[in-house]
Amino acid sequence: EAGVVQSPRYKIIEKKQPVAFWCNPISGHNTLYWYLQNLGQGPELLIRYENEEAVDDSQLPKDRFSAERLKGVDSTLKIQPAELGDSAVYLCASSPRGNTEAFFGQGTRLTVV
Amino acid sequence: AQSVTQPDIHITVSEGASLELRCNYSYGATPYLFWYVQSPGQGLQLLLKYFSGDTLVQGIKGFEAEFKRSQSSFNLRKPSVHWSDAAEYFCAVGFPTGGFKTIFGAGTRLFVKA
Repeated sequence: EAGVVQSPRYKIIEKKQPVAFWCNPISGHNTLYWYLQNLGQGPELLIRYENEEAVDDSQLPKDRFSAERLKGVDSTLKIQPAELGDSAVYLCASSPRGNTEAFFGQGTRLTVV
Repeated sequence: AQSVTQPDIHITVSEGASLELRCNYSYGATPYLFWYVQSPGQGLQLLLKYFSGDTLVQGIKGFEAEFKRSQSSFNLRKPSVHWSDAAEYFCAVGFPTGGFKTIFGAGTRLFVKA
C-alpha cells in the first residue's frame, strides 16, 4: 500500500513569490492534515480536512496561506506571498475515518531566500 | 490548555545501553498518547500509542512506554539501543474535539555513540 505522497520534496523560492505543495493521502483515508514543522520543533497543525471540508483551520494564517481538497482526495497548500519566516518543513498526514493514528508523508522542505 | 513537554532537547547514549525519553502532558481527561520517530529527511512514524487498558504499551522496534496518570507522564523506553535508533522522537497527546486533534511536543533528538 502506498503511503502519503508529497511533492515537491524540496523547494527554494525568493521572498514574495508564491509556492504550492501537493499531497496525495493514503487511499480511503477521509481525514487529511497539513502540519508546519519549524527547525527543532514538533509539528503544528495548520488545517484538518474531513473529506473535502476544512473542519479545523484555526491555525492557518489566512492572509497568505490557503488550502483546498477538491473531491476529498488530493490536497494543495499554497503560500502567497512567501516570507522568510515561512522556511520550514510542511508535512501532510492522513488517517481513516474515526482513527486516531495519523500517517505522515516525507514532507516538503521550503527555503525562502 | 492541552500541552506536551519533552524536557530533554537531546540525549546521547552508548550503543547497547538502555534508553528512557521523558514526556509529560497536560490534559483534563484521559488522553490518547503517542510516540512518533522521525529520521532525517523523513516523515513521522508511529512507534506506539496508548488509549486505555494496560498502562505498559509495547511498540515497534523494541520500544515500550508506560502511562503514569499520577505523574501525567508517558515515558518511552528501550532496553538496548542500536545505532539505527538515532533520530528525533516526538511525544504527542490527542483528544477528541469535533473530530480528533493531536498536539506534539518539541521533540528529543537521540544520538547513539559507538
